[in-house]
Amino acid sequence: QSALTQPASVSGSPGQSITISCTGTSSDVGGYNYVSWYQQHTGKAPKLIIYEVTNRPSGVSNRFSGSKSGNTASLTISGLQADDEADYYCSSYTSRSTVVFGGGTKLTVL
Amino acid sequence: QLQLRESGPGLVEPSETLSLTCTVSGDSTRSDNYYWAWIRQPPGKGLEWIGSVYYSGSTYYNPYLFSRITLSVDTSKNQFSLSLTSVTAADTAVYYCARHRRAAAGVLRWFDPWGQGTLVTVSS
Repeated sequence: QSALTQPASVSGSPGQSITISCTGTSSDVGGYNYVSWYQQHTGKAPKLIIYEVTNRPSGVSNRFSGSKSGNTASLTISGLQADDEADYYCSSYTSRSTVVFGGGTKLTVL
Repeated sequence: QLQLRESGPGLVEPSETLSLTCTVSGDSTRSDNYYWAWIRQPPGKGLEWIGSVYYSGSTYYNPYLFSRITLSVDTSKNQFSLSLTSVTAADTAVYYCARHRRAAAGVLRWFDPWGQGTLVTVSS
């Protein structure tokens, strides 16, 4: 199973908004609303920030939002803060009853 | 508060079997709503799902690792385990355990929470 496609890196200044894309196929991202996003600070375990495309777990800032169009899901972070600097991974359920991750995107807050 | 903690050897010799256990506190591995998952991350690289196991023994595996993996749950100890055979240097990674939310018909949804991870190095 091929990994979902994410940009290797994105950057933004404090207060700005950025969007990270996650492209798959009709057999994963496009076929199900089971896309989730994870934030991973350096040396730490990943943390769930979005599930089922658009939903935020309790305690996650509303500056994080998710969406999907066709085979591409997106994570938007508004009002960038220094603590948002981390790696971000998308994940999707697939038609083979498996789970696939994206390659990860490194967010730099300038 | 739900916590997961991985345990096992930090060093495994090539061709041997990697065995890890995840101890769950704050929830029951007999939960109807969750699978229990293993995910790994080679140094400097991205995340790779290994597989997920339900308390009944039902499993879902990464097809690229299928032939080398065994997952199991011990509900009496509230633990679940990973066994990966015939390891090579390519299996060197931080291994995470996580709770894996399921939907009807076994559809796999999201991972939350994750354990802190444990580094396993394959080397002689």
